[in-house]
Amino acid sequence: NAGVMQNPRHLVRRRGQEARLRCSPMKGHSHVYWYRQLPEEGLKFMVYLQKENIIDESGMPKERFSAEFPKEGPSILRIQQVVRGDSAAYFCASSPREEQYFGPGTRLTVT
Amino acid sequence: AQKVTQAQTEISVVEKEDVTLDCVYETRDTTYYLFWYKQPPSGELVFLIRRNSFDEQNEISGRYSWNFQKSTSSFNFTITASQVVDSAVYFCALSESGTYKYIFGTGTRLKVLA
Repeated sequence: NAGVMQNPRHLVRRRGQEARLRCSPMKGHSHVYWYRQLPEEGLKFMVYLQKENIIDESGMPKERFSAEFPKEGPSILRIQQVVRGDSAAYFCASSPREEQYFGPGTRLTVT
Repeated sequence: AQKVTQAQTEISVVEKEDVTLDCVYETRDTTYYLFWYKQPPSGELVFLIRRNSFDEQNEISGRYSWNFQKSTSSFNFTITASQVVDSAVYFCALSESGTYKYIFGTGTRLKVLA
């Protein structure tokens, strides 16, 4: 059973561009979580999704950030009009119920 | 409120020394889970252990051991006979039963010098 997949692993965007981060959960997992790790910090919860539903987005910045987990395909974290402060590692986790399994992360660099 | 504190920002030891990484947590719940993760320089998160609040037995896995003490709300991690490959950032995390958010500490950077 393949683990949680994230792509790309590294993403470079210029200020003002859009960043799309993808997460494919483990087979059979219907819960997806996104966390952000700013440089030299711990991971912070952003959003929790189930198929086609956002359950909790209390950790998402109010503007420019959105997430989806469609019926088919990976979960997408979208950041519009990126700024330098968005540079971070973004981790996705999936779970069948409670225990979360983390992907390898996507490192976003905004130049 | 949930909170995880890793007061040690960075620790340096010489190879073969033992080292303990501290983790103190806060929660109002009686049922919760504690975790340790390793983040090597490559950046991925490596799961080390998950412990539930009802199991206070210490755990040993090879050179790794964990000391869970509810009385002091601590879940400390000890590496015995450290090796250079142990150099990484180590995170402690907390999750309350019935919630899904993992609360991470700020991490401890461990440098093991040859």
